[in-house]
Amino acid sequence: QSVLTQPPSVSAAPGQRVTISCSGSDSNVKYNSVSWYQHLPGTAPKLLIFGNNKRPSGIPDRFSASKSGPTATLGITGLQTGDEADYYCATWDSSLSAAVFGGGTKLTVL
Amino acid sequence: QVQLQESGPGLVKPSGTLSLTCIVSGDSVSSNNWWTWVRQPPGKGLEWIGEIFHSGTTNYNPSLKTRVTMSLDKSKNEVSLQVNFVTAADTAMYYCAREMYSISPYFDLWGQGTLVTVSS
Repeated sequence: QSVLTQPPSVSAAPGQRVTISCSGSDSNVKYNSVSWYQHLPGTAPKLLIFGNNKRPSGIPDRFSASKSGPTATLGITGLQTGDEADYYCATWDSSLSAAVFGGGTKLTVL
Repeated sequence: QVQLQESGPGLVKPSGTLSLTCIVSGDSVSSNNWWTWVRQPPGKGLEWIGEIFHSGTTNYNPSLKTRVTMSLDKSKNEVSLQVNFVTAADTAMYYCAREMYSISPYFDLWGQGTLVTVSS
């Protein structure tokens, strides 16, 4: 059972937009910054977003993120088949004194 | 270009010790960064194991802290992970990552991972 709750799966057609939510609490999402990762199992996870809404260099602006209270959201526009992957949110949990990940969301581009 | 490469035995016996090394190139483990280990059991999500600072300060996942030790070898520019008394539940892909901070930690660079199976 993950501390951060993500939907197990989302799907959308190529070119469409999809959002992935990450629900936490005061001890993690609300008062700490959230990062997002794209992961194909067996490969290195890739940082998409840090500091709630900042994109590292090289990450296209099709990827964006926001946060409101204890819920963070990743948005992906102009979906491509290459976006099919697992997506994870992560943050620090001040009560646990530990980094925590969401359970992951599998994105399918139909 | 910073690269991280995990290595270690792919098979560990139950009740034994899992020992992994992360070789860092393009950055120094002595730099002002934290270095972290994350694992992914088969079919499950990512789990944070712990972190180590260049000073040797460590923080571990409370669920694992009685069995986990992390260390740095600055002469070899390596980060090491040790997990004692392993069980089948420790079977996972293990990743090392560089940790940065923007209010809270995030992991900007990751290794390809190494699969560890716990089995007799």
